[in-house]
Amino acid sequence: EAQVTQNPRYLITVTGKKLTVTCSQNMNHEYMSWYRQDPGLGLRQIYYSMNVEVTDKGDVPEGYKVSRKEKRNFPLILESPSPNQTSLYFCASSYRAWDEQFFGPGTRLTVL
Amino acid sequence: AQKVTQAQTEISVVEKEDVTLDCVYETRDTTYYLFWYKQPPSGELVFLIRRNSFDEQNEISGRYSWNFQKSTSSFNFTITASQVVDSAVYFCALSPNAGGTSYGKLTFGQGTILTVHP
Repeated sequence: EAQVTQNPRYLITVTGKKLTVTCSQNMNHEYMSWYRQDPGLGLRQIYYSMNVEVTDKGDVPEGYKVSRKEKRNFPLILESPSPNQTSLYFCASSYRAWDEQFFGPGTRLTVL
Repeated sequence: AQKVTQAQTEISVVEKEDVTLDCVYETRDTTYYLFWYKQPPSGELVFLIRRNSFDEQNEISGRYSWNFQKSTSSFNFTITASQVVDSAVYFCALSPNAGGTSYGKLTFGQGTILTVHP
């Protein structure tokens, strides 16, 4: 089944404790991206990757890191999480940046 | 920079009413794509439509229709004879074509919460 998977689905952590949210797709998509969803703000792009080893900042990259060492994986790293990073996070993939995005199920992160 | 505005934060209608969700965008690119996505209460994001900036023809799919007007930078979405299952958050989004100034970026609007009452 074609899909985008994210893990974990739910995470409660404390300020400053490094965490990684994994994202994997099995559709051989070149483009992958991360978004955060906050009430009243919609979806905001954090980082995107046009292909392996190619990543770029979205609109809200501060406090986040990503890597794209393999085509299928695009982990999101929060090296020192803060409460303002409490949010719902979505990973997505597509063949090209302007194609239909396939979204993962979301990761709800709470930083205390 | 590109921007997408969905001015309607929440809309409430009664079943069988028609409803239009507005989307206005800003971009410096001459070629781009516009999208609508649906997020039902279960939380997943579902693709509805993609429209190329070259193609201003309106599109209809069942009870759904989309009106793209480049002159007013709008890409509105109409649901005819709404149903309770249409209750969801709807997002409009914009992505430049290859070579665009924001190539690779996908910008979403704030979303419109649609509630359809029985």
